[in-house]
Amino acid sequence: QKEVEQDPGPLSVPEGAIVSLNCTYSNSAFQYFMWYRQYSRKGPELLMYTYSSGNKEDGRFTAQVDKSSKYISLFIRDSQPSDSATYLCAMEVYGGSQGNLIFGKGTKLSVKP
Amino acid sequence: DARVTQTPRHKVTEMGQEVTMRCQPILGHNTVFWYRQTMMQGLELLAYFRNRAPLDDSGMPKDRFSAEMPDATLATLKIQPSEPRDSAVYFCASGLGQGGNQPQHFGDGTRLSIL
Repeated sequence: QKEVEQDPGPLSVPEGAIVSLNCTYSNSAFQYFMWYRQYSRKGPELLMYTYSSGNKEDGRFTAQVDKSSKYISLFIRDSQPSDSATYLCAMEVYGGSQGNLIFGKGTKLSVKP
Repeated sequence: DARVTQTPRHKVTEMGQEVTMRCQPILGHNTVFWYRQTMMQGLELLAYFRNRAPLDDSGMPKDRFSAEMPDATLATLKIQPSEPRDSAVYFCASGLGQGGNQPQHFGDGTRLSIL
């Protein structure tokens, strides 16, 4: 079993839909959880960064962490065609680039106009 | 906006040739990471440095790959000799390495094809 599991999709939704992206993990020592967005032929860019359990909201994006279930989610409200990208979850034990990130393989999202 | 800069963006070469990829981390960042991304394996860490010293290179095939930081503004990843299975996108990332909410920032990668 890989440390981080993520459904690769692809996921196709109509514009305006609510999107839910998820990752599960096995290492209970992970404390810092991230979502990166990667457009085609670009590097991953940080979207959301959370510490420990709970919710974090930023505009149309909400990140949730449930450490008891070892499960993290990213919700996108009112999805737009510009949200079409691959979304990668990532997590680390110590935070702040003190160790290496463990990534999921990414979910490819397509938002149709 | 400060960015991680990688060169070249694309490289096509024949099996057996030496390949050198370069990375300029964000000014002030003391931690530099090298990743490889493939469809099959996703993003995998190859090596990382803090204050120019290698901390972990366990993800790298040591017989053909080498990573260095000649100075604080330049990191290099070399493959010699290259093989077709090395074809992938190689990303460099940098960070502050001091804990808290200070994530890694990625460059746009070097797309490598070994024929």
